[in-house]
Amino acid sequence: DAGVTQSPTHLIKTRGQQVTLRCSPKSGHDTVSWYQQALGQGPQFIFQYYEEEERQRGNFPDRFSGHQFPNYSSELNVNALLLGDSALYLCASSLIFQGAGEQYFGPGTRLTVT
Amino acid sequence: AQKITQTQPGMFVQEKEAVTLDCTYDTSDPSYGLFWYKQPSSGEMIFLIYQGSYDQQNATEGRYSLNFQKARKSANLVISASQLGDSAMYFCAMRPSNFGNEKLTFGTGTRLTIIP
Repeated sequence: DAGVTQSPTHLIKTRGQQVTLRCSPKSGHDTVSWYQQALGQGPQFIFQYYEEEERQRGNFPDRFSGHQFPNYSSELNVNALLLGDSALYLCASSLIFQGAGEQYFGPGTRLTVT
Repeated sequence: AQKITQTQPGMFVQEKEAVTLDCTYDTSDPSYGLFWYKQPSSGEMIFLIYQGSYDQQNATEGRYSLNFQKARKSANLVISASQLGDSAMYFCAMRPSNFGNEKLTFGTGTRLTIIP
């Protein structure tokens, strides 16, 4: 049973550039959430996608956008990168309205902005 | 708004001893879910245990149990018979309702180190 996968593992970008991170959910899951985890902090919710639409959004600027594809995989795009965007980006998948709705996380993408 | 507070930045525990990680929360939602996740140095968040706010009994999953005290708004994680592999960051999180997939709000975490 394949878990949540993310690519790439690590990424180094320059201020002002744009980046795309990818996520494949756990088999059978239909909902994908994205979180940003700064060093020494807990993850912060960015947004959640279900049925190819953004269902919920956290307190992040419009520079952060996303997409969900028909196969439930998802992308996170960040435009006009800032130094403060350096963080571990975690993708989590779940099956909507099922059980406790626990979210299963991928290994993350470590983004460094220089 | 929801808030999770974890007051123990770090803990050192002898192998095979039990350990309690503290978590308090604040919310105005009438129902909510509470979660604990483990994050090893590899970065992946591993789901450990879940407690719904209307659950009458404390949740248990193997060596993990959740000491839920609703009136005190606390949801402490208890790990029995600690093992070296338990060394990791531990995060408490909550969600605004018992069902569905609303966003998780996390605390700042506790770094647990198991000493041989």
